[in-house]
Amino acid sequence: NAGVTQTPKFRVLKTGQSMTLLCAQDMNHEYMYWYRQDPGMGLRLIHYSVGEGTTAKGEVPDGYNVSRLKKQNFLLGLESAAPSQTSVYFCASSSRESGANVLTFGAGSRLTVL
Amino acid sequence: RKEVEQDPGPFNVPEGATVAFNCTYSNSASQSFFWYRQDCRKEPKLLMSVYSSGNEDGRFTAQLNRASQYISLLIRDSKLSDSATYLCVAGGASGTYKYIFGTGTRLKVLA
Repeated sequence: NAGVTQTPKFRVLKTGQSMTLLCAQDMNHEYMYWYRQDPGMGLRLIHYSVGEGTTAKGEVPDGYNVSRLKKQNFLLGLESAAPSQTSVYFCASSSRESGANVLTFGAGSRLTVL
Repeated sequence: RKEVEQDPGPFNVPEGATVAFNCTYSNSASQSFFWYRQDCRKEPKLLMSVYSSGNEDGRFTAQLNRASQYISLLIRDSKLSDSATYLCVAGGASGTYKYIFGTGTRLKVLA
């Protein structure tokens, strides 16, 4: 059981390039989340999804787009990367059945924008 | 102002000490509360959920004060292996399933 898998684990981009981070979960979870983590800032919620085909904005959504075409996948896109988007990105998922809605995280994707 | 706030620390304590962390949240409609632990350069992992009546898991005790909108975590008999960053989480307001993390509190347990 892989849990939550993020790809790629590392990526270096030049300013203005685009890329997509993929999050896949095999636990049949309804809810999925993208967070970014920067030194001294903790985890900040970018976007989240409560089900296939639905997404919602979090604390810091600007500069990112997301899609949830399949229940198991949640994609985070950067259309025109900026140095301010250099960060570690974490995906998480949770289940309605877990009661307390506990988040299970992927191992993170480290993105550097030059 | 961040929706969930924590003292960033670091807290440096000797082995065997008792240490307490506090966290405040601004959204009074928040329904669910957690403490997560994060080791350096790793993903956060659930330490414990926090219930209104307070709850304990071994050396760890969590408390929730809804009136004052704060959450606490008490660690007794600290171990070297407790060294990590502790993240407070609040969310689930109005059924949104939106979970906000605090900035984290760093703990270093010294031999």
